[in-house]
Amino acid sequence: DAGVTQSPTHLIKTRGQHVTLRCSPISGHKSVSWYQQVLGQGPQFIFQYYEKEERGRGNFPDRFSARQFPNYSSELNVNALLLGDSALYLCASSLAVRDTQYFGPGTRLTVL
Amino acid sequence: QKEVEQDPGPLSVPEGAIVSLNCTYSNSAFQYFMWYRQYSRKGPELLMYTYSSGNKEDGRFTAQVDKSSKYISLFIRDSQPSDSATYLCAMSGNTGKLIFGQGTTLQVKP
Repeated sequence: DAGVTQSPTHLIKTRGQHVTLRCSPISGHKSVSWYQQVLGQGPQFIFQYYEKEERGRGNFPDRFSARQFPNYSSELNVNALLLGDSALYLCASSLAVRDTQYFGPGTRLTVL
Repeated sequence: QKEVEQDPGPLSVPEGAIVSLNCTYSNSAFQYFMWYRQYSRKGPELLMYTYSSGNKEDGRFTAQVDKSSKYISLFIRDSQPSDSATYLCAMSGNTGKLIFGQGTTLQVKP
């Protein structure tokens, strides 16, 4: 079975631009979570969605938004990019909100 | 103070050594405890998952949770060069929000 997939793998943007990251969960998983991992740090929770509803939000500014689609895939959007948004963005899927989370390979975003 | 504290290392050991990794935490509401392994520039891979206190063994890996001391450990027996990676502890309470430690970088030398 395919694991969690994310696209694109790498992305380079300039300050002020907008970016959309995509995630497809493991088949049968209905919950998707997003994390930001800055180099040398552990992942930081951004959002969790379950059945298309937001079930949790981390301490990130309103420039960050997400949504989940009827097929349970998800998008993370970041507006007005800052240099500090450069990070590895990880998507994790789980059967439900409190179940074990399995991570995708991540999207590496570089903001110049 | 961070909710989860983890020594970043790096930790260097010879092949075949027993490795001990640990994390401390401050939130007594945490009840689910995980260890993930992350190779450079890759996504975290789940190694161990434990609910509440106790020990869990899987092959060369043993996870221990001591809720009274707010302390969790991961032991790796007969360490191999392929175990060289960053090890992340993670925990959660009644929500799906995982709180991670900083990660410990491990190098196993042949």
